Amino acid sequence: GENVEQHPSTLSVQEGDSAVIKCTYSDSASNYFPWYKQELGKGPQLIIDIRSNVGEKKDQRIAVTLNKTAKHFSLHITETQPEDSAVYFCAAKQSDGDQFYFGTGTSLTVIP
Amino acid sequence: GAGVSQSPRYKVAKRGQDVALRCDPISGHVSLFWYQQALGQGPEFLTYFQNEAQLDKSGLPSDRFFAERPEGSVSTLKIQRTQQEDSAVYLCASSLAESGNTGELFFGEGSRLTVL
Repeated sequence: GENVEQHPSTLSVQEGDSAVIKCTYSDSASNYFPWYKQELGKGPQLIIDIRSNVGEKKDQRIAVTLNKTAKHFSLHITETQPEDSAVYFCAAKQSDGDQFYFGTGTSLTVIP
Repeated sequence: GAGVSQSPRYKVAKRGQDVALRCDPISGHVSLFWYQQALGQGPEFLTYFQNEAQLDKSGLPSDRFFAERPEGSVSTLKIQRTQQEDSAVYLCASSLAESGNTGELFFGEGSRLTVL
């Protein structure tokens, strides 16, 4: 099965700085890579995703990059704000499978 | 409602008790997933339904875990003879897409189970 590893487990940044979270995956058949944000006491919420036919996707302050050869993908948050503080999860999925495989999460703290 | 609704939000059970967790997905969503999230960990897959059919139950940790979605909408996750290691948040998610597609997963807020 797929194995998704995520680093770092915790990350603290000053407000306005950038934050980068990295994930690796093991199964080359995975072709869909979403990122979820989970606030305390809530369920994960999709913030951005990328499919294997593109290398980068951006949505305002959030961007995701994908390196299929190296089997890793990263989340980039620029101009961080206190409301970005949450736990972020990466995930991987194959198109012919039903399971999403999640990383272990990164707790991001943005210091005002 | 507009989102995925789960109940109860919190459940405390004595070891050996049976529990039932309910998920009401977004109306019209074909796919329904149950995930288990231990403290400080990512969600771990339990089972998947496409409409009323349980197509994948490979993630259920033991035969004490049972899930159903008899009419293709509301789903119930039942845990029999609960053990302390069952303590976790149980997340339900639904998606408009069928399993072969990569539609967005919409998660509920979860049911936090504590087994004493």
